[in-house]
Amino acid sequence: KQEVTQIPAALSVPEGENLVLNCSFTDSAIYNLQWFRQDPGKGLTSLLLIQSSQREQTSGRLNASLDKSSGRSTLYIAASQPGDSATYLCAVRRGADGLTFGKGTHLIIQP
Amino acid sequence: EAQVTQNPRYLITVTGKKLTVTCSQNMNHEYMSWYRQDPGLGLRQIYYSMNVEVTDKGDVPEGYKVSRKEKRNFPLILESPSPNQTSLYFCASSLSLEGHGYTFGSGTRLTVV
Repeated sequence: KQEVTQIPAALSVPEGENLVLNCSFTDSAIYNLQWFRQDPGKGLTSLLLIQSSQREQTSGRLNASLDKSSGRSTLYIAASQPGDSATYLCAVRRGADGLTFGKGTHLIIQP
Repeated sequence: EAQVTQNPRYLITVTGKKLTVTCSQNMNHEYMSWYRQDPGLGLRQIYYSMNVEVTDKGDVPEGYKVSRKEKRNFPLILESPSPNQTSLYFCASSLSLEGHGYTFGSGTRLTVV
């Protein structure tokens, strides 16, 4: 059974810092990996989608990498801002049966 | 606008009173899923569907039913809700197995008293 782990569970940093969120998964036979952002009590906003054949994807200040063979992905956030405060979720797609989620990293950016 | 629409957004009900949470997508997506989100447990899949009339159980299907009679709709049915089904529910859809990610609805916060 696929298991997804996110480290750290929580992170608080001053504004302006670059930071890395980690995601690991136990079964490397995945189709893709998706990073989401969730604000308190709100829905999930897709940030980046990485296909199994790709090594990384970039969108603005966000960069996600994927090392499928070792079962790892990282989300890099450059020049963090208070508006980046949210919970970040990593999810892998193993097949037709949808996504398996990690429990998320709760990020606070201090002004 | 391409989206996944869930209704209602908030619902308070009593134990045993049947309810349906609707989910509709306007993107002609093949794949649809239901998840519940609970503190400390994260997001867990309830049911999923690969196409019309094709549904299957996820990790936590007990107490739930679904149907997929049309491609765009994937309702979640609680025949006899219980307090342990109090949760935040999300519907999601995806165009294909490869090349596309999932789009999520805004969520339904259900309280069963």
